[in-house]
Amino acid sequence: AQSVTQLGSHVSVSEGALVLLRCNYSSSVPPYLFWYVQYPNQGLQLLLKYTTGATLVKGINGFEAEFKKSETSFHLTKPSAHMSDAAEYFCAVSGSNSGYSTLTFGKGTMLLVSP
Amino acid sequence: GAVVSQHPSRVICKSGTSVKIECRSLDFQATTMFWYRQFPKKSLMLMATSNEGSKATYEQGVEKDKFLINHASLTLSTLTVTSAHPEDSSFYICSARSRYEQYFGPGTRLTVT
Repeated sequence: AQSVTQLGSHVSVSEGALVLLRCNYSSSVPPYLFWYVQYPNQGLQLLLKYTTGATLVKGINGFEAEFKKSETSFHLTKPSAHMSDAAEYFCAVSGSNSGYSTLTFGKGTMLLVSP
Repeated sequence: GAVVSQHPSRVICKSGTSVKIECRSLDFQATTMFWYRQFPKKSLMLMATSNEGSKATYEQGVEKDKFLINHASLTLSTLTVTSAHPEDSSFYICSARSRYEQYFGPGTRLTVT
């Protein structure tokens, strides 16, 4: 079984500031980890994913995340926030034994970017 | 990347009627599609897994007689909300699984009046 905890339902940053969205997971098998972004009234877009290999994963729009097994974390970062980054972000986990099935999502973090 | 479409994007229906939502994978074949429901300011809740040519697998607590799922081809799955009630109003999102990831549709906003 898997679960995801996203700390903070809302994160506010100023434009140009560092973005840090936290995600901790629980998984009984080696995990696949994902970050998705959702703009209002739209579906989910994959930002990045970790399956195997390098633990620092780079995604689209300048985002990256690091898989830390010892901390069971997969935090999302971006060095400099843009206004267009304002959206809802979801962390998700699936078991490596199920691949890209059975995604379990966190509750989401709304990123607010102020000028 | 792969594209998944949903139709309609928005639908308003009267209580007691049925509504069908289509999910299509446009440029790849998907033996497995998923249907999610998203409540306002909440996460996505997996409703069911739809497998081409077989019955859908419903998550615990999801009424299979109310939410009918059909996956008749490798590129199309449909969700029919039968005898809709206002509490069925929600954002419904489908996804299609390829070999490498799940691709999500843009969602359908259902409002039952």
